[in-house]
Amino acid sequence: GAVVSQHPSWVICKSGTSVKIECRSLDFQATTMFWYRQFPKQSLMLMATSNEGSKATYEQGVEKDKFLINHASLTLSTLTVTSAHPEDSSFYICSARDMRGAGGANYEQYFGPGTRLTVT
Amino acid sequence: DAKTTQPNSMESNEEEPVHLPCNHSTISGTDYIHWYRQLPSQGPEYVIHGLTSNVNNRMASLAIAEDRKSSTLILHRATLRDAAVYYCIPIQGGSEKLVFGKGTKLTVNP
Repeated sequence: GAVVSQHPSWVICKSGTSVKIECRSLDFQATTMFWYRQFPKQSLMLMATSNEGSKATYEQGVEKDKFLINHASLTLSTLTVTSAHPEDSSFYICSARDMRGAGGANYEQYFGPGTRLTVT
Repeated sequence: DAKTTQPNSMESNEEEPVHLPCNHSTISGTDYIHWYRQLPSQGPEYVIHGLTSNVNNRMASLAIAEDRKSSTLILHRATLRDAAVYYCIPIQGGSEKLVFGKGTKLTVNP
């Protein structure tokens, strides 16, 4: 099956610094990738939709200036958490769908293994 | 987005079948019904999806009620590796967004 990787798998940073998380589709191309955040014992919350070659679409309540998303190629999307604070500590997960597949909802999404961010 | 109702938790014994229910009474005619699962400390994994007809794949079967207001994910022989949180997610036909609810935490006993 299709593989999505994330790097790093975990990161610890100091409050006020920025952290970049990479999401790569390894064996397929993706025009659209998605970023989620998951707090302990909670469900995944969609943060934004990353579109190759254009601006990301953010969900309501997600600060676009704090969570910068760049989708520069068909296999790479990055999420940068700027000026991170302890409340940004979370499990960040990306997903992607194979652009060769049927559009809309009749397709499966492939998820990365997640990146655990701890801000001290 | 159609709202879903799933049991918070279920238990099963190893090698027995498991039926995971999902109620999605507000589903629209063009919504696909997707199921994903998440093992501890991992990203979610696609399980199966369907529109109207029952679906089978190597992982599971999906039984969709005739009125489409509910569906059941069937694991034919549960293994310890199937212990996970299972999410039922209706997706609008033209949409690509997955909106996760609370899901059902499945425990498989040896």
